[in-house]
Amino acid sequence: QKEVEQNSGPLSVPEGAIASLNCTYSDRGSQSFFWYRQYSGKSPELIMFIYSNGDKEDGRFTAQLNKASQYVSLLIRDSQPSDSATYLCAVNKGGGSNYKLTFGKGTLLTVNP
Amino acid sequence: DADVTQTPRNRITKTGKRIMLECSQTKGHDRMYWYRQDPGLGLRLIYYSFDVKDINKGEISDGYSVSRQAQAKFSLSLESAIPNQTALYFCATSDSRAADTQYFGPGTRLTVL
Repeated sequence: QKEVEQNSGPLSVPEGAIASLNCTYSDRGSQSFFWYRQYSGKSPELIMFIYSNGDKEDGRFTAQLNKASQYVSLLIRDSQPSDSATYLCAVNKGGGSNYKLTFGKGTLLTVNP
Repeated sequence: DADVTQTPRNRITKTGKRIMLECSQTKGHDRMYWYRQDPGLGLRLIYYSFDVKDINKGEISDGYSVSRQAQAKFSLSLESAIPNQTALYFCATSDSRAADTQYFGPGTRLTVL
């Protein structure tokens, strides 16, 4: 079983719609969860992180975490063409292993004008 | 000015050549990382360093070496480059006192012919 799994996409949504990006992880000991955005040929850029079950909102972005289901998602409201990118989910175990980020392979999002 | 810089940004070299990729940061972070990214394989950790005297192998360290010259500088060397080391290389930093969230440099695109 892959440690961090994401649907590779592409996920295509119209401008103004809600984009929903999903990620599952295999290690129940995982404690911290990160979403990065990566434009083609560019470096990953941190969007947000979440530690606790539930929702965390930051502007148009909402991260949702369900540790019982080992599932984390990212919702993008009012999607814009500039949101078109690959979204990487990353997980770490926290504590003394904070350094070890395991990345999913990413989901390609396309927002159509 | 960028917080994390990488040089060179692009490099084409030949099989068997020695090459060094450099990373510098002004974020004041104690931890630094080298990743490579390949299409379909995602981001993989090569080496990481918790401080100047601490160097650790990641999941794919064979064929690579590193040097942490100062808290702000972390270099990656390919002693004898081979074509399957063609990839996008990223340096990242994190602050162990602040949840170890990782921030990435702009990347180096390396091609080994």
